[in-house]
Amino acid sequence: GENVEQHPSTLSVQEGDSAVIKCTYSDSASNYFPWYKQELGKRPQLIIDIRSNVGEKKDQRIAVTLNKTAKHFSLHITETQPEDSAVYFCAASRRSGGYQKVTFGTGTKLQVIP
Amino acid sequence: DVKVTQSSRYLVKRTGEKVFLECVQDMDHENMFWYRQDPGLGLRLIYFSYDVKMKEKGDIPEGYSVSREKKERFSLILESASTNQTSMYLCASSSPLFGTSGLHSSTDTQYFGPGTRLTVL
Repeated sequence: GENVEQHPSTLSVQEGDSAVIKCTYSDSASNYFPWYKQELGKRPQLIIDIRSNVGEKKDQRIAVTLNKTAKHFSLHITETQPEDSAVYFCAASRRSGGYQKVTFGTGTKLQVIP
Repeated sequence: DVKVTQSSRYLVKRTGEKVFLECVQDMDHENMFWYRQDPGLGLRLIYFSYDVKMKEKGDIPEGYSVSREKKERFSLILESASTNQTSMYLCASSSPLFGTSGLHSSTDTQYFGPGTRLTVL
């Protein structure tokens, strides 16, 4: 089955600095890579995603890059703010029959220090 | 807005009890999922369902079963709760959409419920 590794497990940055979270996956058939943000005590919510036919996607201060050859993808947050503090999960997903099977990484706890 | 609700936010049960966790979504989604979330282990898939009365084992199905009698409702059952099942349980739903070209153009976004923190004593 798919295996998704996520690093680092914790990350502290000063407000205004950039944060990068990296994930690798094992199944070359994976074709969809979402990122979820989970604030303390709340449910995970999708913040950005990328499909395998795209190398990079950007949405304001967040961007995701995908290297299919190396089987890794990364989340980049620029100009970090205290409200970016949360746990971030990457995921790799592939179609299996009539449904999309998703495997999550173990999460990165990001702390933005004011 | 997609709404996914779970029957309880907090639950305390005793070892050996039968436990039911319920999840309801209001967006007519085909796919529903049950995960458990533990520190350092991320979100691990227990079971999922892609249609009414259909179920598939995820990565850690042992000790659990599920039921999907109606499209909007997906139940997780702990037949005989054990202390190692103390965890946060998250339900999610998603809806695959296919473009007219036949190519996969699914949203596949998973919408999560608020979670149920289960403690087994």
